Amino acid sequence: EAQVTQNPRYLITVTGKKLTVTCSQNMNHEYMSWYRQDPGLGLRQIYYSMNVEVTDKGDVPEGYKVSRKEKRNFPLILESPSPNQTSLYFCASSFLMGQVPMGEHEQYFGPGTRLTVT
Amino acid sequence: LAKTTQPISMDSYEGQEVNITCSHNNIATNDYITWYQQFPSQGPRFIIQGYKTKVTNEVASLFIPADRKSSTLSLPRVSLSDTAVYYCLVGDMGSGGGADGLTFGKGTHLIIQP
Repeated sequence: EAQVTQNPRYLITVTGKKLTVTCSQNMNHEYMSWYRQDPGLGLRQIYYSMNVEVTDKGDVPEGYKVSRKEKRNFPLILESPSPNQTSLYFCASSFLMGQVPMGEHEQYFGPGTRLTVT
Repeated sequence: LAKTTQPISMDSYEGQEVNITCSHNNIATNDYITWYQQFPSQGPRFIIQGYKTKVTNEVASLFIPADRKSSTLSLPRVSLSDTAVYYCLVGDMGSGGGADGLTFGKGTHLIIQP
């Protein structure tokens, strides 16, 4: 089954304790992305990657790191989490435009990771 | 990135057709228009995508005028389960020129009543 998986699904941690949220996709997608969702603010992009070893900042990259050493994995790293990073996080993946027919380019989203930093 | 503007919320009733309009005045030549649906605590789900004129699939239609400065998502005969947030996105998603990240914005909260 084609899917994007995230782990953990729920995490409560304390300020300053490094954590990693994993994301994996089995669809051979080049493009992967991380979003955070907060009440009243919609979905905001944190980082994205167009291929292995290629990453770039989204709208809200401060306090986050990512890596793309393998095509299927795109972990999100919080080196020193703070309470303002308490949020619902989504990973997504897709083919790049031009690799699929027009009208079929879509992002597939993971189930989300609810992070609480105290 | 082309910025989009959508209504914050809309209400309708079961069995009605719902049209949600999105404005994107500075859409670029290579940009596509994509709509997603999101239920609470779930990731967004792709609904439909288009470039110009009209696109229809099994769940929705997308109307794009010739100037492409707006688009309208049309949901025929909605049901209670269509209550969700709907996002309009505009972008070229990696056509080779360096993909800008896609911005979802705040979306339109559609509430369907019995």
